[in-house]
Amino acid sequence: QVTLKESGPGMLQPSKTLSLTCSFSGFSLSTSGMVVSWIRQPSGKSLEWLAAIDWDGDKYYNPSLKSRLTVSKNTSNTQVFLKITSVDIADTATYYCARDTTGIPTPFDYWGQGVMVTVSS
Amino acid sequence: DIQMTQSPPSLSASLGDKVTITCQASQNINKYIAWYQQKPGKAPRLLIRYTSTLESGTPSRFSGSGSGRDYSFSISNVESEDIASYYCLQYVNLPRTFGGGTKLELK
Repeated sequence: QVTLKESGPGMLQPSKTLSLTCSFSGFSLSTSGMVVSWIRQPSGKSLEWLAAIDWDGDKYYNPSLKSRLTVSKNTSNTQVFLKITSVDIADTATYYCARDTTGIPTPFDYWGQGVMVTVSS
Repeated sequence: DIQMTQSPPSLSASLGDKVTITCQASQNINKYIAWYQQKPGKAPRLLIRYTSTLESGTPSRFSGSGSGRDYSFSISNVESEDIASYYCLQYVNLPRTFGGGTKLELK
């Protein structure tokens, strides 16, 4: 059974660094082809893919946010992390992590429940 | 980046109606489009991949079609449980990009 769960600070101030964790089970990020992505959704708006990390440690970023994003994983391949620097109000959103694969293109099949993040002074 | 233009932004339907949502990509996406359903406060749920392949558990009243740049998603015989927002996703290229969404409401 594949599950993912996001965790984060809930609220933070503008200009700070947002740190998010995606904890997952039911698959291993050390398996060839596996990818975990981060996606966000401001309230009432559409979805935006942010970043991904694959089984081999290769990292992929949305060019529009690349300078502010850092994705990483733990050595046991059970968690993926996302850092967003210099947050502002526009970064207020629900953040999701989702499973993906490399090789033959596949859509995000399993998603976490999402974590709401509010940027406010 | 591939832009996904989804329409309409909202849709009002009666139970039993057939509804259709379209997505147009800014370039050929070779059928690598997926459709998601999202209910308030929930994560998106994958319904259809590769244009027309239904996921396990997706009711047969959902369908998808298209090729090249133009794709559509339909629900025949709308049921109350289908009231949700729907999103298309192109996954042929990075960055993955979503359509703007369609909110389906009951008339």
